[in-house]
Amino acid sequence: EAQVTQNPRYLITVTGKKLTVTCSQNMNHEYMSWYRQDPGLGLRQIYYSMNVEVTDKGDVPEGYKVSRKEKRNFPLILESPSPNQTSLYFCASSLLGRTDTQYFGPGTRLTVL
Amino acid sequence: DQQVKQNSPSLSVQEGRISILNCDYTNSMFDYFLWYKKYPAEGPTFLISISSIKDKNEDGRFTVFLNKSAKHLSLHIVPSQPGDSAVYFCAATAENNAGNMLTFGGGTRLMVKP
Repeated sequence: EAQVTQNPRYLITVTGKKLTVTCSQNMNHEYMSWYRQDPGLGLRQIYYSMNVEVTDKGDVPEGYKVSRKEKRNFPLILESPSPNQTSLYFCASSLLGRTDTQYFGPGTRLTVL
Repeated sequence: DQQVKQNSPSLSVQEGRISILNCDYTNSMFDYFLWYKKYPAEGPTFLISISSIKDKNEDGRFTVFLNKSAKHLSLHIVPSQPGDSAVYFCAATAENNAGNMLTFGGGTRLMVKP
């Protein structure tokens, strides 16, 4: 089954404690992306990657890091989380140039106390 | 400032009637528009799209209309069904954007009452 998986699905942490949210896709997609969803603001792109070792900033990259060492994985790293990073996070993947077929993961709800 | 706006955070419709969800954009570089549907505890899924060379695209019960001069698009669902109850996001991009970057609206929660 074609899918994007994220782990963990739910996470409560404290300010400053480094965390990683993993994302993996099994569709051999070149493109992967991270979004955060906040009430009234929709989904905003954090970072994206067009291939292995190629990453770029989206609209709201501050406080986040990513890496793309393998085609299937695109982890999101919060080195020092803060309460304003409390949000619902989605990973997505697609073939390059096919925005209509972005497959989204189920989401990770993060709470930073 | 948000480049894609959905001014109605929620909409309630009776089963069998038409649902109309609206979306406005400000960036004239956008030339491809999409609607995504999201159920609770799931990621968004693609619903329907339209290119700026068209003013209408239809897929079963779902039709998207684009008014380029007004920078406005709308999604019509006819007839509405209880299973359509979800959050709908409008999104926009430029087709020559190799980064596949989508700009989303804030979403509209549709409730279809039996």
